[in-house]
Amino acid sequence: AQSVTQPDIHITVSEGASLELRCNYSYGATPYLFWYVQSPGQGLQLLLKYFSGDTLVQGIKGFEAEFKRSQSSFNLRKPSVHWSDAAEYFCAVGLTSGTYKYIFGTGTRLKVLA
Amino acid sequence: KAGVTQTPRYLIKTRGQQVTLSCSPISGHRSVSWYQQTPGQGLQFLFEYFSETQRNKGNFPGRFSGRQFSNSRSEMNVSTLELGDSALYLCASSPDSRTDTQYFGPGTRLTVL
Repeated sequence: AQSVTQPDIHITVSEGASLELRCNYSYGATPYLFWYVQSPGQGLQLLLKYFSGDTLVQGIKGFEAEFKRSQSSFNLRKPSVHWSDAAEYFCAVGLTSGTYKYIFGTGTRLKVLA
Repeated sequence: KAGVTQTPRYLIKTRGQQVTLSCSPISGHRSVSWYQQTPGQGLQFLFEYFSETQRNKGNFPGRFSGRQFSNSRSEMNVSTLELGDSALYLCASSPDSRTDTQYFGPGTRLTVL
């Protein structure tokens, strides 16, 4: 069955520290992969996406993600976190057939310490 | 380009009432999807409309319904509200095909008392 796993429910980092949010997926076909960010009470904003090509994808706000097919992973990284990055982050897999367009992970809530 | 807009942003209703939420997609986008987000269940897919037709439907009871108009604007209706319907309802639009990126609106926060 298709699924997306974000193993870390909460992550706390200090401002200026590096960040890596994990995402693993289970999907038989070539995945379309997304990272979204959600600030409290807001909708989801697209950070970056991977469809094909270069496995290292650059996004907005200084984020990047690397697709590793052998590990079925699409981890999100940022070299230096800012206090404004505190939010919830969702990984999603886009499906090319079936009822669901996206399967979302359960999210990782990021807290940034000043 | 203007983003996805949703109205109202906040809504308070009582059990048994019905509610209608509205979503205006990005200009040129023909697909509109609706999601329910709750702390316990995360993001759950409600349904997708494309060219005024429901193209896909998630696993929600018939109290949840929707429609799409010729200008791609979409409405979602929930009848006979229950306490468990309290949630953030998100609308997302995309141009056409399944592989197009979805762009989300700010959501409507529904509270059922």
